[in-house]
Formats: sequence, structure tokens, C-alpha cells
Amino acid sequence: GAGVSQSPSNKVTEKGKDVELRCDPISGHTALYWYRQSLGQGLEFLIYFQGNSAPDKSGLPSDRFSAERTGGSVSTLTIQRTQQEDSAVYLCASSVGTGGKKLFFGSGTQLSVL
Amino acid sequence: QKEVEQDPGPLSVPEGAIVSLNCTYSNSAFQYFMWYRQYSRKGPELLMYTYSSGNKEDGRFTAQVDKSSKYISLFIRDSQPSDSATYLCAIRSNDYKLSFGAGTTVTVRA
Repeated sequence: GAGVSQSPSNKVTEKGKDVELRCDPISGHTALYWYRQSLGQGLEFLIYFQGNSAPDKSGLPSDRFSAERTGGSVSTLTIQRTQQEDSAVYLCASSVGTGGKKLFFGSGTQLSVL
Repeated sequence: QKEVEQDPGPLSVPEGAIVSLNCTYSNSAFQYFMWYRQYSRKGPELLMYTYSSGNKEDGRFTAQVDKSSKYISLFIRDSQPSDSATYLCAIRSNDYKLSFGAGTTVTVRA
């Protein structure tokens, strides 16, 4: 596709359930980011992948959060035992090279934990 | 203290007015300055990218950076209803990690 694709666009889950969010970056982009955007807050960095290097997981808020990127392309963000404070929009972005100059964002997944 | 501070607004202006947005930052290592625009239910998209102090123009948009004051601005001239969106500043040092402001929501009234 032409842009970054995220699925699902909306996810409603019950507290304590696990969820998986998917990101399809732009073809050829080696850098991939996950950010979280809560109402009235800026984008909070979660994790960064670059090629085959070890990911930078320094932004993950707890060990309930994990992410992987298979084959240098598709990425999945998993949240285990969801809590109400996990409710937010989860945004994925990709960029060329080492990243950071121009990020291309998907439309995000709106996660609601009841 | 957050690394990047941005007044969330909201800001409402009549069509044709100049919109002025700004951010302050605390880390003098920041070298790259960006403005992203985010429409409702969409991801942010890059509007402007600057590296040095001074002004950069692109059509109706002007980005201004004052590194000595750690202050960046975005001006939108002749604002249009289609400019109604949330504007986020983003700043980074030499690595790949961007620090974002909270975003300012702008409404341009027809």
C-alpha cells in the first residue's frame, strides 16, 4: 500500500484481556516506531525498530507491553492483561534509513479498555 | 518538567487570520525541529522540518527557531477552515527519538 497501515482501527476490550495491534509499514522503510497518544497528551514513545538491530524498548511502560517485528516489515504490539489506563490511540510510524527526520504515521488503533 | 512544552489551546480564529503556535524545550542538545499536523482520527503528518535557527517558509507556513531561547514557532498566514487540526511540535537530538509537544488544537471559523 501507499502508506502505513494499522489494524484494527478500533478495539474495545475488557480489563484483563490481551490485545494485539498490527502495523504494516511503508515498503522499504527500515525504521519503525510505536507511539501512544492519550487525550490531551503528546505522543509518548514506546519502542523503535531499525533493520536487524536490537529494538529500543526504553519507552515501554511495563512488562505487560511487548512488540516484535517480523522479517523487517510487519510489527505487532501486544498488551497483556489490559488495564483501563492502557486506553489510548496507538500510533505506528515508519521512516527511511535510521529514522527521525520524517516519520510517516498510520491512522492509529483506538484502544478502549472497559 | 517535560522536555517539550506546548500550550494545548484550543485556539479559535476567523478565516484569514494569522495563527501563531509555539513550543519551548529544555534540552540544549536538541537540533532538529519539526511541526506535524494531525486531523481528527488520523495520524500526524509532517508539515515543516528545520535544523538551524532562523525562519523557514513553505507557502502559507513559516517555522521559526530560536535556539538561544529554546523556543520554536509556527505561523499560518491567511488561515483557512481546512487548517483546522491539531498541530504538534517535535524535536530531536542526534538520535532517532522524537520528543513531541502535547499539540495545540486549532479551529479556523469560516
